[in-house]
Amino acid sequence: NAGVTQTPKFQVLKTGQSMTLQCAQDMNHEYMSWYRQDPGMGLRLIHYSVGAGITDQGEVPNGYNVSRSTTEDFPLRLLSAAPSQTSVYFCASSYSPSGRADEQFFGPGTRLTVL
Amino acid sequence: QQPVQSPQAVILREGEDAVINCSSSKALYSVHWYRQKHGEAPVFLMILLKGGEQKGHEKISASFNEKKQQSSLYLTASQLSYSGTYFCGTETDRGSTLGRLYFGRGTQLTVWP
Repeated sequence: NAGVTQTPKFQVLKTGQSMTLQCAQDMNHEYMSWYRQDPGMGLRLIHYSVGAGITDQGEVPNGYNVSRSTTEDFPLRLLSAAPSQTSVYFCASSYSPSGRADEQFFGPGTRLTVL
Repeated sequence: QQPVQSPQAVILREGEDAVINCSSSKALYSVHWYRQKHGEAPVFLMILLKGGEQKGHEKISASFNEKKQQSSLYLTASQLSYSGTYFCGTETDRGSTLGRLYFGRGTQLTVWP
């Protein structure tokens, strides 16, 4: 199993550009989520999904969109990149049969810089 | 909803013990602990559930005080490999936030030989 994979590993954008961060898992997990990590701030939840076709907002959803058309994939879209979105982005998945938070498996992260 | 962790940083000699604390102002259903090494993704350590159930790393111990909404992670006889940043994540006991994990800002642990 590859676990949770993320692409790209690094990305540099100019202000106003849009892009999609890819996340895929091969563990048949229902729960997937996106976090951003900034120095000294910990991990902050952007969006999450409890299954295909179901998504919800986390703590810091503004400027990001998600969709979940398959169990395996959970892409994160930046609509119009801003310097404040410079961060490391982690995707995570978990089994979570009850809908409750469970052991999360994190991808390797995407380091995004917005100029 | 972000839990508060303390201390912010700990420096130990190999073999010494440490305690990392996590507290929340909300009623909690579960507390999760993760460790992250520099430049890597967070790695699961354990979950403590309301009611006493625990799941996780055999060599790590932790407690969850449901009345005080506090959890502590106990690192005994520390090893060099314990170095990293420790995060607690909390899931509240309210249906509207089912499944959401809110992470603290982290505790940086450094173990010296």
